[in-house]
Amino acid sequence: AQSVSQHNHHVILSEAASLELGCNYSYGGTVNLFWYVQYPGQHLQLLLKYFSGDPLVKGIKGFEAEFIKSKFSFNLRKPSVQWSDTAEYFCAVTAQSSASKIIFGSGTRLSIRP
Amino acid sequence: NAGVTQTPKFQVLKTGQSMTLQCAQDMNHNSMYWYRQDPGMGLRLIYYSASEGTTDKGEVPNGYNVSRLNKREFSLRLESAAPSQTSVYFCASSEGGGTGELFFGEGSRLTVL
Repeated sequence: AQSVSQHNHHVILSEAASLELGCNYSYGGTVNLFWYVQYPGQHLQLLLKYFSGDPLVKGIKGFEAEFIKSKFSFNLRKPSVQWSDTAEYFCAVTAQSSASKIIFGSGTRLSIRP
Repeated sequence: NAGVTQTPKFQVLKTGQSMTLQCAQDMNHNSMYWYRQDPGMGLRLIYYSASEGTTDKGEVPNGYNVSRLNKREFSLRLESAAPSQTSVYFCASSEGGGTGELFFGEGSRLTVL
């Protein structure tokens, strides 16, 4: 069965700093990968997704993520964060063989100091 | 567009009581999901329904049952609530096949005393 690990539980950055949030998955086959964001008091919304092709995917609000198959990783990046990026970020994976079963990581809380 | 609607939004139960969380989507999605969200543990999949007429266990199915009543509706039932089931429950739907975006409801906060 697939699983997802997010090792950074809480990240604190100043505005304009660069961001990288780690995501590692465990599964031997082909996967689809996602990053979701949950702003305070809101429900989750999709930031970006990877199915195949170019391993560098761009999402909304200036976020991007790189799929590195050899490392089983799908890290989220943003060159310059803003106070409005304060939120919780979740990585998710689904195995293409059981594509409807979508598993989430434990999340990373991002706090941005103005 | 209502999207995904969950009821109730808040519920307090005593240990051993039963209840059903209702979820309905109006996007003609094939797949529906129930997750629970607990601090530090992210979202954990309880049950999902890949398509109308099918349901499958997720990561934490014990103590729960589900019914995919029709394409629109997917309910989650707690037969005998336990304090460990205190959580925020999210229903979600997607077009299906794991390639689509999940659309979430606003959540149901359940407290079991």
